[in-house]
Amino acid sequence: DAGITQSPRHKVTETGTPVTLRCHQTENHRYMYWYRQDPGHGLRLIHYSYGVKDTDKGEVSDGYSVSRSKTEDFLLTLESATSSQTSVYFCAISEGGPEAFFGQGTRLTVV
Amino acid sequence: KQEVTQIPAALSVPEGENLVLNCSFTDSAIYNLQWFRQDPGKGLTSLLLIQSSQREQTSGRLNASLDKSSGRSTLYIAASQPGDSATYLCAVSTGANNLFFGTGTRLTVIP
Repeated sequence: DAGITQSPRHKVTETGTPVTLRCHQTENHRYMYWYRQDPGHGLRLIHYSYGVKDTDKGEVSDGYSVSRSKTEDFLLTLESATSSQTSVYFCAISEGGPEAFFGQGTRLTVV
Repeated sequence: KQEVTQIPAALSVPEGENLVLNCSFTDSAIYNLQWFRQDPGKGLTSLLLIQSSQREQTSGRLNASLDKSSGRSTLYIAASQPGDSATYLCAVSTGANNLFFGTGTRLTVIP
């Protein structure tokens, strides 16, 4: 899987609690992305990073924040989880060219 | 906003049959189009990438075509096998920092 590790792979959390998902890469790629996948919607971009400490919003960024303090790690934080954030979250990496490589996903359930 | 549609949502075929998956997109100003495969509980695997200047790409039993002006792409799978059973996703890129995904076609190849 192109050296991408997402953790945790599964998580159940309660409404209102903070949650952090981690994406770790060993490829030294410049770009990192967080997507969410929901039935009937396809994958949608939440946030992306184009370098250490350089991030920007995607299509569905409300309720999410990100941080990238090292090239290899990109963290996605839900400050106060809601049931609408129950989803499967995918991290992806690229060098800015056309090809992107995806992690195996994190299934998050907010109860 | 780019909208990507995949038809059919699900397809079931007997082993050995040739099949076509369809993808359409609303904005023809794309950089490239990719076809991905997703297995249950797994990440996405890139199958074929077609640059906007290209008409088709081939890899083994897979052939993808692109008609940018009409906003359509097809993925042709020859001599289908049970191992081809998966969800196939189409995604278009309009820049370096986002992919717009369709909702996928779930393919089942019956032995």
